[in-house]
Amino acid sequence: DTAVSQTPKYLVTQMGNDKSIKCEQNLGHDTMYWYKQDSKKFLKIMFSYNNKELIINETVPNRFSPKSPDKAHLNLHINSLELGDSAVYFCASSQAGRGVAGSYEQYFGPGTRLTVT
Amino acid sequence: QKEVEQNSGPLSVPEGAIASLNCTYSDRVSQSFFWYRQYSGKSPELIMSIYSNGDKEDGRFTAQLNKASQYVSLLIRDSQPSDSATYLCAVVSGSARQLTFGSGTQLTVLP
Repeated sequence: DTAVSQTPKYLVTQMGNDKSIKCEQNLGHDTMYWYKQDSKKFLKIMFSYNNKELIINETVPNRFSPKSPDKAHLNLHINSLELGDSAVYFCASSQAGRGVAGSYEQYFGPGTRLTVT
Repeated sequence: QKEVEQNSGPLSVPEGAIASLNCTYSDRVSQSFFWYRQYSGKSPELIMSIYSNGDKEDGRFTAQLNKASQYVSLLIRDSQPSDSATYLCAVVSGSARQLTFGSGTQLTVLP
């Protein structure tokens, strides 16, 4: 009964390929996030969805496209992968979000280590 | 200016000592503050939340918040080797109420 799960855990692919990472949370939270953690360990938000609505879209290349089929799932699709996309991608969720009361405590999935060769 | 700043370390303390981790933030209207622990190769794990000025204690951990100075800290008493990890300070800020992380402080507790 993992709270926030991600698949796959590891992803090794070649430049130019398209790949997807899936995330699911069973905490009943309304808000989900994608973060990128680079080799220097800096954790930077990429996207946030509140009940299937995109509310945060940081400066991220258009090759990255999030999709939220329902509030328990948030997927990340990446087109035309580049070497610089190699990083660990974390999904997270929280009870609260813009316009939604509750706790802003975020809970993270185990991460997906993406390696582009 | 970075929104959330932490000393990157590394910080080394002997086993049994108090480890003190510091964080400053730039958004004066921030209301929610968190400390996460991240072991190497693992995901960030929430260990403390603090919302009001003063101290909040949970076991060996004490979070301290001073909104006037825009400063939040984490004290770890009786440090154990298992506390060796990177500690991330995070602050809720901005109109979208997003979580902004500091760059983390790497803590090593020496046996």
